[in-house]
Amino acid sequence: ETGVTQTPRHLVMGMTNKKSLKCEQHLGHNAMYWYKQSAKKPLELMFVYNFKEQTENNSVPSRFSPECPNSSHLFLHLHTLQPEDSALYLCASTSTHDRANQETQYFGPGTRLLVL
Amino acid sequence: KNQVEQSPQSLIILEGKNCTLQCNYTVSPFSNLRWYKQDTGRGPVSLTIMTFSENTKSNGRYTATLDADTKQSSLHITASQLSDSASYICVVSADSGGYQKVTFGIGTKLQVIP
Repeated sequence: ETGVTQTPRHLVMGMTNKKSLKCEQHLGHNAMYWYKQSAKKPLELMFVYNFKEQTENNSVPSRFSPECPNSSHLFLHLHTLQPEDSALYLCASTSTHDRANQETQYFGPGTRLLVL
Repeated sequence: KNQVEQSPQSLIILEGKNCTLQCNYTVSPFSNLRWYKQDTGRGPVSLTIMTFSENTKSNGRYTATLDADTKQSSLHITASQLSDSASYICVVSADSGGYQKVTFGIGTKLQVIP
């Protein structure tokens, strides 16, 4: 285990539903990330939080809404999604002070999302 | 534009054989290069990290090489095992105003068969 947990592991939702993905890290890291992984495409960075502050939003549609209440928890709130949003959503964390490991990101197992 | 290209896209090898995966990048200014292993249904896990001054690094049966002049890296797997079946992702970081901007490759899907 990497020390990063994600729930749920699988989620099926309709286009009118509202759901949330949860990520928790037990590594004492200060930065957390949301990525989208679609088939045959590289990981796409969605959001970055550093010390609870959002430092990056890669032109993500507003139907994805992140929330970072503290350095250990990260949420991704979903509403009125489209079928093309079906993908694996990965959470990662890192310590931006960990120069020895070159700020290696530790990934959670992901949430497999299917939008019908 | 920063890009990371990996080849082959997929590979099937017999258990016990060796294989080499390739990664070419155009990321600059270069900070470091990582190889991740992603098992099916799991998140990526870091295998090796290399900075500009390093040209080879090993982690058990995995050996990564880096040629910063040609902007190429390879991951060599020796004496493959069934558990090596996974996607291998090359990730290159650039120094961007004090923080690292990361570019991911699409990955090489490796299948090791008995």
